[in-house]
Amino acid sequence: QTVVTQEPSLTVSPGGTVTLTCASSTGAVTSGYYPNWFQQKPGQAPRALIYSTSNKHSWTPARFSGSLLGGKAALTLSGVQPEDEAEYYCLLYYGGQVVFGGGTKLTVL
Amino acid sequence: QVQLQESGPGLVKPSETLSLTCAVSGYSISSGYYWGWIRQPPGKGLEWIGSIYHSGSTYYNPSLKSRVTISVDTSKNQFSLKLSSVTAADTAVYYCARLPPGNSGYWGQGTLVTVSS
Repeated sequence: QTVVTQEPSLTVSPGGTVTLTCASSTGAVTSGYYPNWFQQKPGQAPRALIYSTSNKHSWTPARFSGSLLGGKAALTLSGVQPEDEAEYYCLLYYGGQVVFGGGTKLTVL
Repeated sequence: QVQLQESGPGLVKPSETLSLTCAVSGYSISSGYYWGWIRQPPGKGLEWIGSIYHSGSTYYNPSLKSRVTISVDTSKNQFSLKLSSVTAADTAVYYCARLPPGNSGYWGQGTLVTVSS
């Protein structure tokens, strides 16, 4: 069973920068895993932020960016805002199969 | 813009079959992409259930495969989920979505399904 691992929790100060990562138990994450990133706030449906590693949706704030970093998928938030406090999930595609990471709870403090 | 809307019963009895439908607007399923179902038990993370292509080819989560069927109706531009022999552990918010590869990330608002007698 493939496992996708994210940091359980991270804390960042307003205006700061933070990077969330997404690792695969099968090895290095590449663009062929089409990494996706989602933001979820309490009581709301997940909102897509990034698809195919680094592509933003039309609604994705400019301060969010996706990349590959050290064999993992990464989501970087630059100039963090209080409203960025949320749970963040990554998704990896394994040739038809899809696996979500366990989520990172981001606290803005 | 692409919009998805889940529909189906909010309460299902144990051992019965959960059935949900996802209506897609703003994009023709026949044009491509994988479409799928994701669920989230109360207070827990996201779990992929399965995906379907417009041609009908499917992929299922190995942990649910024996109980899941996903089908597509291109004439109605919708796809459906059936999960059999449900238990309380299947209580969750169920989402339909457009999935990778490609420009994915369009999700429905989700529907809570409770398994209880």
